[in-house]
Amino acid sequence: AQTVTQSQPEMSVQEAETVTLSCTYDTSESDYYLFWYKQPPSRQMILVIRQEAYKQQNATENRFSVNFQKAAKSFSLKISDSQLGDAAMYFCAYFAGGSEKLVFGKGTKLTVNP
Amino acid sequence: ETGVTQSPTHLIKTRGQQVTLRCSSQSGHNTVSWYQQALGQGPQFIFQYYREEENGRGNFPPRFSGLQFPNYSSELNVNALELDDSALYLCASGTSGHQGYNEQFFGPGTRLTVL
Repeated sequence: AQTVTQSQPEMSVQEAETVTLSCTYDTSESDYYLFWYKQPPSRQMILVIRQEAYKQQNATENRFSVNFQKAAKSFSLKISDSQLGDAAMYFCAYFAGGSEKLVFGKGTKLTVNP
Repeated sequence: ETGVTQSPTHLIKTRGQQVTLRCSSQSGHNTVSWYQQALGQGPQFIFQYYREEENGRGNFPPRFSGLQFPNYSSELNVNALELDDSALYLCASGTSGHQGYNEQFFGPGTRLTVL
């Protein structure tokens, strides 16, 4: 069974600084996708960034980028120039091609200090 | 906002009761998935519905059941509620029939408390 592990229950960062959230996963599949989702307090979960396993290039979305290490099964999220609105729970998630479900980690609570 | 809505926002039930949670998907989406998110945990997949039929199920007992309607709405029903069913229930809608990833859009969730 696929598993996703987030080893940092909580992280904090100063506004305008950079922070990296860690994620590792376990799978025997070759076709899969990885995601970072953001869940602000009492608000909807939204997709931050996605990475297709077959792509070697790391995904980037504005201030958000990933470091995808396929052999190590590692998928970290880097947030640059952190903003107060980045404060939220961040979930790493895995999706196997042809599957129906997302498999989530337990999440990392990110606090942004002014 | 994702365009996916859920009702009610909060719900309190007692052990042994039955509950129905509702979700309204984005227009054009033909799949709806339900997830259970216990406090301090990541969401766990309950099941997915596609064209009004169950299309995949996680490790949840049969007392968790669902319905999907042609008008993009769906329901999650839980019978014989247990204390451990207390959680945030999320629905997510998307489109299927394509190879690769089926992006899912989440609703805000229903917070269920079982006393």
